[in-house]
Amino acid sequence: SQKIEQNSEALNIQEGKTATLTCNYTNYSPAYLQWYRQDPGRGPVFLLLIRENEKEKRKERLKVTFDTTLKQSLFHITASQPADSATYLCAWEDSGTYKYIFGTGTRLKVLA
Amino acid sequence: EAQVTQNPRYLITVTGKKLTVTCSQNMNHEYMSWYRQDPGLGLRQIYYSMNVEVTDKGDVPEGYKVSRKEKRNFPLILESPSPNQTSLYFCASSLSRWGEGLADTQYFGPGTRLTVL
Repeated sequence: SQKIEQNSEALNIQEGKTATLTCNYTNYSPAYLQWYRQDPGRGPVFLLLIRENEKEKRKERLKVTFDTTLKQSLFHITASQPADSATYLCAWEDSGTYKYIFGTGTRLKVLA
Repeated sequence: EAQVTQNPRYLITVTGKKLTVTCSQNMNHEYMSWYRQDPGLGLRQIYYSMNVEVTDKGDVPEGYKVSRKEKRNFPLILESPSPNQTSLYFCASSLSRWGEGLADTQYFGPGTRLTVL
């Protein structure tokens, strides 16, 4: 069955550094991946979508890459700030079913 | 303001007492969905709807019902709640249309925290 894994439950980094989060997928090659941010007790907020033919996508301090050979998407936050502390989720569509599959998320904490 | 609203935000109930969680969106979106979120398990899709009167099961539909009689509303019904349905529930919507995949932004509601005793 399709599976989506995010590299760790928690990631602590110092303010100003680049945070890198990983989303790995198995048994399937998604046509696109989405990344969301979720703050405690609140609904996820869409950040970026990257398609399989797009190696990289940027939005302000955010950058997403998509490596179909490694079956991996990397999510980068440059010049990280304490306000970036949140859980980040990756998601895709279960092939042609109109169902979403979400990863369990990576909790990022940016230390001042 | 474009938004997805859910009610109630918090609910404590007892086993077997039927309840409905409402969801409404004002963006004229065709796709709507319900998720539950549990520690360590992430977001799991319960049901989704591609349009009015079109609904289908997600990964964890057991114990839930939905209906889509109007485009803007997508209520989640628990006919006989059990303690294992204690969870944080989210409703979401997007522009996605049948035949076009799901490569559209999903907008999530604020969540409903349900406790079943």
